[in-house]
Amino acid sequence: GQQVMQIPQYQHVQEGEDFTTYCNSSTTLSNIQWYKQRPGGHPVFLIQLVKSGEVKKQKRLTFQFGEAKKNSSLHITATQTTDVGTYFCAANFGNEKLTFGTGTRLTIIP
Amino acid sequence: DTGVSQDPRHKITKRGQNVTFRCDPISEHNRLYWYRQTLGQGPEFLTYFQNEAQLEKSRLLSDRFSAERPKGSFSTLEIQRTEQGDSAMYLCASSVSGTLYEQYFGPGTRLTVT
Repeated sequence: GQQVMQIPQYQHVQEGEDFTTYCNSSTTLSNIQWYKQRPGGHPVFLIQLVKSGEVKKQKRLTFQFGEAKKNSSLHITATQTTDVGTYFCAANFGNEKLTFGTGTRLTIIP
Repeated sequence: DTGVSQDPRHKITKRGQNVTFRCDPISEHNRLYWYRQTLGQGPEFLTYFQNEAQLEKSRLLSDRFSAERPKGSFSTLEIQRTEQGDSAMYLCASSVSGTLYEQYFGPGTRLTVT
């Protein structure tokens, strides 16, 4: 079936360090979205990537879509305590639904 | 608040009972999705509607699950003869039509089957 693998499952970083999560698919994606879910909360949309090789930035967050449109990454520079949460990629395989990755849970050590 | 709302927020039920959840999407959104999320996992697609039409159901959705969106506005998800394995967070999301639009999630209904 159409699945998307996300790594790592957990990441503990010191405040101020960088953080990266990766999403991989064996199938070419139509587009990919990223969501953040705070502890006890619901997923909140961050960004959507559509074009091959696309790079988008939101302040300290950098999102990339691979040239083959099979992988994506989210990089956070100089993490802050407000970055705590689980980051999910959500892949679209050309149908009308999203397939979520298993998420990367980020914890910050002050 | 013009976001997606879900009711109830929590439901505890005994195995074998039926439960029904409600989702009210953002008013101008014609797409409505239901997901199930268990601890440590991402949201898992269950079904979605375009207006009142149910366009796709996951193969994971057993016959005990049924969803409706009769007037193309709010939706209900019913689980009949609940099992302990049904315990999860049930999330509703809405969006405008098309695959290029973000989904807005509601706070979810946490179901516990005892």
